[in-house]
Amino acid sequence: AQKVTQAQTEISVVEKEDVTLDCVYETRDTTYYLFWYKQPPSGELVFLIRRNSFDEQNEISGRYSWNFQKSTSSFNFTITASQVVDSAVYFCALGNTGNQFYFGTGTSLTVIP
Amino acid sequence: GAGVSQSPSNKVTEKGKDVELRCDPISGHTALYWYRQSLGQGLEFLIYFQGNSAPDKSGLPSDRFSAERTGGSVSTLTIQRTQQEDSAVYLCASSWVAGYSTDTQYFGPGTRLTVL
Repeated sequence: AQKVTQAQTEISVVEKEDVTLDCVYETRDTTYYLFWYKQPPSGELVFLIRRNSFDEQNEISGRYSWNFQKSTSSFNFTITASQVVDSAVYFCALGNTGNQFYFGTGTSLTVIP
Repeated sequence: GAGVSQSPSNKVTEKGKDVELRCDPISGHTALYWYRQSLGQGLEFLIYFQGNSAPDKSGLPSDRFSAERTGGSVSTLTIQRTQQEDSAVYLCASSWVAGYSTDTQYFGPGTRLTVL
């Protein structure tokens, strides 16, 4: 079975706090792909990052960082020094070599000014 | 165009009517996906196209739902005899190279369907 779990339904933080969004995935494939998308109130999903299963190197992009750990089947997303503009629903997704994609149910992040 | 476009942006219809939702992918993208997002829910996969063919229709919720793609570009999702439970945002995404799931999907703004 292939599945993505985002256990945190809603998170609220005060501006400038750091926040980590959890993502746990299940797959039996040895080759797979992981994604994070942001869905702001406007509704359009915005691609943030893609990682391949064979590349566990963590990545940092500005205030965003991702921690990929195959040992725990997790692909967590951290926002440092959060800002109000970070308020959105964030989706984690798993893709396989059969062009099938599985999305988590999303984490709604609210950054309070 | 620069991104994936969808039309209409909003559609209100009466129960029992048919609706057509349109998706225009990013130019050159050969793979196209349809998803449904109900209020406060995640994304539910419906169907994907590789060129004009649909190798995976497993997500279509019933035979009232169908989709086609012509010319390897524009796709239409048709819902016949709409029901209130069909109310949702229908999202379309496209990606660059068919057959490789390494290719990132880029999403359109969605069509919000309301069935009264």
